[in-house]
Amino acid sequence: DAGVIQSPRHEVTEMGQEVTLRCKPISGHDYLFWYRQTMMRGLELLIYFNNNVPIDDSGMPEDRFSAKMPNASFSTLKIQPSEPRDSAVYFCASSFPPEGGGTSHTDTQYFGPGTRLTVL
Amino acid sequence: AQSVTQPDIHITVSEGASLELRCNYSYGATPYLFWYVQSPGQGLQLLLKYFSGDTLVQGIKGFEAEFKRSQSSFNLRKPSVHWSDAAEYFCAVEAGYGGSQGNLIFGKGTKLSVKP
Repeated sequence: DAGVIQSPRHEVTEMGQEVTLRCKPISGHDYLFWYRQTMMRGLELLIYFNNNVPIDDSGMPEDRFSAKMPNASFSTLKIQPSEPRDSAVYFCASSFPPEGGGTSHTDTQYFGPGTRLTVL
Repeated sequence: AQSVTQPDIHITVSEGASLELRCNYSYGATPYLFWYVQSPGQGLQLLLKYFSGDTLVQGIKGFEAEFKRSQSSFNLRKPSVHWSDAAEYFCAVEAGYGGSQGNLIFGKGTKLSVKP
């Protein structure tokens, strides 16, 4: 398998523009996660999906951020309008459901290479 | 609230020397603990994980970690470091209650440099 695929790898845009980040999870993984990494705040979970349904979006910073998962093989994270403070590396990760089912714990999350976003 | 502390921001060791990276967590129940490694410009890769059972966990690339409940620690160790181990290492705990399953809380990371 090619692993988690993210595009673009780098994005430079101007403040106020719309930005769309894309992710293709590993085939067969039911969970998909979006993270943001900055020097100041480290790695933060933004939102995650189970079977294409958003489960927890409490980490989404504000209404300018939205995420969708129209099918099992594709997800987007959109920022509209973008601001300089959104500059960060955005990671997508996916995982199988937990062993034995239930909600007790997660399985290994496989991370994509990330999208480095710079908002000028 | 759950939290993870990695006290060392940056560590430098000589190649061939032993390594221990510290991780302390705050969690009210049985924790699920992870160590990930991030090479420059790359995503995170799982080194090892602890869910239950034996408190000494073996991972990839010769790494191991020991869960100590009394100390709320999950330190990562390697007996002999290789130059290719230079990377940033992240400890994480999973907030595994019901709907928050999958919410990994990451530490701020420890950057490892290896001297020849």
